Amino acid sequence: DGGITQSPKYLFRKEGQNVTLSCEQNLNHDAMYWYRQDPGQGLRLIYYSQIVNDFQKGDIAEGYSVSREKKESFPLTVTSAQKNPTAFYLCASSRSGTATHYGYTFGSGTRLTVV
Amino acid sequence: QQQVKQSPQSLIVQKGGISIINCAYENTAFDYFPWYQQFPGKGPALLIAIRPDVSEKKEGRFTISFNKSAKQFSLHIMDSQPGDSATYFCAAGLSGSARQLTFGSGTQLTVLP
Repeated sequence: DGGITQSPKYLFRKEGQNVTLSCEQNLNHDAMYWYRQDPGQGLRLIYYSQIVNDFQKGDIAEGYSVSREKKESFPLTVTSAQKNPTAFYLCASSRSGTATHYGYTFGSGTRLTVV
Repeated sequence: QQQVKQSPQSLIVQKGGISIINCAYENTAFDYFPWYQQFPGKGPALLIAIRPDVSEKKEGRFTISFNKSAKQFSLHIMDSQPGDSATYFCAAGLSGSARQLTFGSGTQLTVLP
């Protein structure tokens, strides 16, 4: 079945650590997105990528980094510079330029907790 | 200009009742308005979407009403069921924009049995 796989489902980070969240899709979608979800704040865009080897900052990119070396993969690194990383992280994809026709496909999310 | 405002933040409805969630936007260039449904611990899933050239779209018990002049759109869930209990997000999209979709803040719907 085609879809988006996020791993791990739960992740715990110690203060000062970098952690990487995985996002893999087999939908042959060109565009991929990372959102952060906090209670009462909806979905806030962290980074997005329209094609391989290219990505842009979203609204809350500070303290995060991404790479897009393969079409299928868009990992997100939460760096130690992100002061409040505890949140639910969602990865999404769409056919390039078609999110306004078919919407996004979301993964099941990774819940990151700072311990 | 990119913001989408959603209300209410939470909603409790009796089984069989009508659930109504509202969204407002500022950017008149938006041309796609989807609603997403999210169950706890899961990613959102596309529920229904509308374009500004129609005022209403219905799919089963779910209806989007769209008021272009007021820059508002709403989701109506008829005959609400406990299985509809979830978080609902409205969004607005701009064709040709790399950012694609801007989301509202979400509404947590609880349907009481």
